[in-house]
Amino acid sequence: DAGVTQSPTHLIKTRGQQVTLRCSPKSGHDTVSWYQQALGQGPQFIFQYYEEEERQRGNFPDRFSGHQFPNYSSELNVNALLLGDSALYLCASSLARNTEAFFGQGTRLTVV
Amino acid sequence: AQRVTQPEKLLSVFKGAPVELKCNYSYSGSPELFWYVQYSRQRLQLLLRHISRESIKGFTADLNKGETSFHLKKPFAQEEDSAMYYCAPSPFSGGYNKLIFGAGTRLAVHP
Repeated sequence: DAGVTQSPTHLIKTRGQQVTLRCSPKSGHDTVSWYQQALGQGPQFIFQYYEEEERQRGNFPDRFSGHQFPNYSSELNVNALLLGDSALYLCASSLARNTEAFFGQGTRLTVV
Repeated sequence: AQRVTQPEKLLSVFKGAPVELKCNYSYSGSPELFWYVQYSRQRLQLLLRHISRESIKGFTADLNKGETSFHLKKPFAQEEDSAMYYCAPSPFSGGYNKLIFGAGTRLAVHP
């Protein structure tokens, strides 16, 4: 089991562009959560997907959206990128009703 | 508002010294509490959760509901303990299990 995998590893985008990040959960996990980790900060919860629906959302604008596919993999989309969106984006998978989360290695997004 | 405070950005100790990484949280209800660790060039991983009451790599964490604290302790630090440590309560309710992370404490253990 490769655990949680994220792609791409690094990404550079221009302000105003749109970006899609991808996550494959650990085998057997059905819940995917996304976190944003700015430099020097702890991860901040963006949203969580279960059964292909967003079921929790943190304090992030609507520019941040996501999707979960029938195979439980997930995408995070960010529109109209701002310089402040530069961060490490982490995906975590878990089983529903279980609080233990397994993290991917992250995608480093740089907005210039 | 839900808040997690890790007052020390950096904790520097010598090998063999005791270590205590502090975590205070403000929450309504009874969250489940975790410590996550990130070693250099590795992904964030679970170190311990308070309900399991396990000791992992010699670390323990005591929940003090009165003080709303969940400090991480180890009696004798090792160089391989050098890492970034995050306290993360989870307001688990209704089957929803997000984590709220503190800003983290970097532990540096010197030989």
